[in-house]
Amino acid sequence: EPEVTQTPSHQVTQMGQEVILRCVPISNHLYFYWYRQILGQKVEFLVSFYNNEISEKSEIFDDQFSVERPDGSNFTLKIRSTKLEDSAMYFCASSPGLAGVRETQYFGPGTRLLVL
Amino acid sequence: KQEVTQIPAALSVPEGENLVLNCSFTDSAIYNLQWFRQDPGKGLTSLLLIQSSQREQTSGRLNASLDKSSGRSTLYIAASQPGDSATYLCAVDDNTDKLIFGTGTRLQVFP
Repeated sequence: EPEVTQTPSHQVTQMGQEVILRCVPISNHLYFYWYRQILGQKVEFLVSFYNNEISEKSEIFDDQFSVERPDGSNFTLKIRSTKLEDSAMYFCASSPGLAGVRETQYFGPGTRLLVL
Repeated sequence: KQEVTQIPAALSVPEGENLVLNCSFTDSAIYNLQWFRQDPGKGLTSLLLIQSSQREQTSGRLNASLDKSSGRSTLYIAASQPGDSATYLCAVDDNTDKLIFGTGTRLQVFP
């Protein structure tokens, strides 16, 4: 069964460094998302991406964050200058979106980011 | 602003019991509602999705209902098993192409 994959599974970085989290959504899906979950807290929406552009973003998704779909398979989240409070589990998700209908979002296993 | 609440926060039951998990949301203008399962330190596994025009969905021992007007959804788990132990999350798509999650119900089913 197709699934969303994410790399790396864990990443440790120093405050102020740039990180790139990578995701391979399910093939033929049209909607792509990033969420994060700080330890012990709710899953929070960061950004949605459709038709090669951001369709929605949260207040968390400030100028330090960016997303890219560099080719037909990868979807990346870049944090330009990490802060301690960026430490969280980051989840990528994708959804079929056939005929413009939003359906089940399928989540990847996550990347645990630790900023020191 | 849409807010999603889940009760109870935690639940511990013996194997074999039927149980109900509750989810409530403050704005009834939702696009769909999705139930997920999350195992400790793991990703989210989609269990059921209910579109706003639907009243319920079933998958095996799971049944989810939706009452949009009252802002409620329930997840019914029949004949619970130890393997059902996990955190169950409810999330609503609020017509802005994102999911808003509840805090979850941590379920433990003991033999």
